[in-house]
Amino acid sequence: QVQLVQSGAEVKKPGASVKVSCKASGYTFTSYYMHWVRQAPGQGLEWMGIINPSVGSTTYAQRLQGRVTMTRDTSTSTVYMELNSLRSEDAAVYFCVTSGITGTTNAFDFWGPGTMVTVAS
Amino acid sequence: QSALTQPASVSGSPGQSITISCTGTSSDVGGYKYVSWYQQHPGKAPKVMIYDVSERPSGVSYRFSASKSGNTASLTISGLQAEDEADYYCASYTSSSTFVFGTGTKVTVL
Repeated sequence: QVQLVQSGAEVKKPGASVKVSCKASGYTFTSYYMHWVRQAPGQGLEWMGIINPSVGSTTYAQRLQGRVTMTRDTSTSTVYMELNSLRSEDAAVYFCVTSGITGTTNAFDFWGPGTMVTVAS
Repeated sequence: QSALTQPASVSGSPGQSITISCTGTSSDVGGYKYVSWYQQHPGKAPKVMIYDVSERPSGVSYRFSASKSGNTASLTISGLQAEDEADYYCASYTSSSTFVFGTGTKVTVL
């Protein structure tokens, strides 16, 4: 069965960086794209970007360009999302999400449990 | 990329049908057959309910259906049940090869 295990909650100061991991299992890691989606407290979902685990290519949301980096380690089936120059508005739950595993091509099928990132001085 | 526009809230009585709209532009909703819908209960991760405008994943109730006309997509929940009370989000692929979510709709079962 598909499992996405994310790293634990983080508390960071404004201006710092955070790196969240997502370890995948139960499917062929390099065959399906992985997205990152975040949700600020009481707010809606925001798509952050996508990584092709096979080749490592990425596409990011324009508003996060220059601050976000998504990478992967095929040896451990893990994807990473690093966000720099943290601001208070970056406080959110960060989800890794697959697409295409259940045949849902341009949709998000399996979601990780989320990682809470708090930004506070 | 601006968020797709959804009504903030929709309500209905058990057994009734409700419809949630999702309005975008020709660069997202109107331009592709890649609109999806998600249900999110409090404190939980979202769950895909519809993909590719109107396709239901295995295991999703037939009470959920969806369509699209022009730049507006719609999700209909028929035979409303207490367990349908949740937040619902639409999402679309865009001309920038990115994705965008809707603003979200809180569904209340009266």
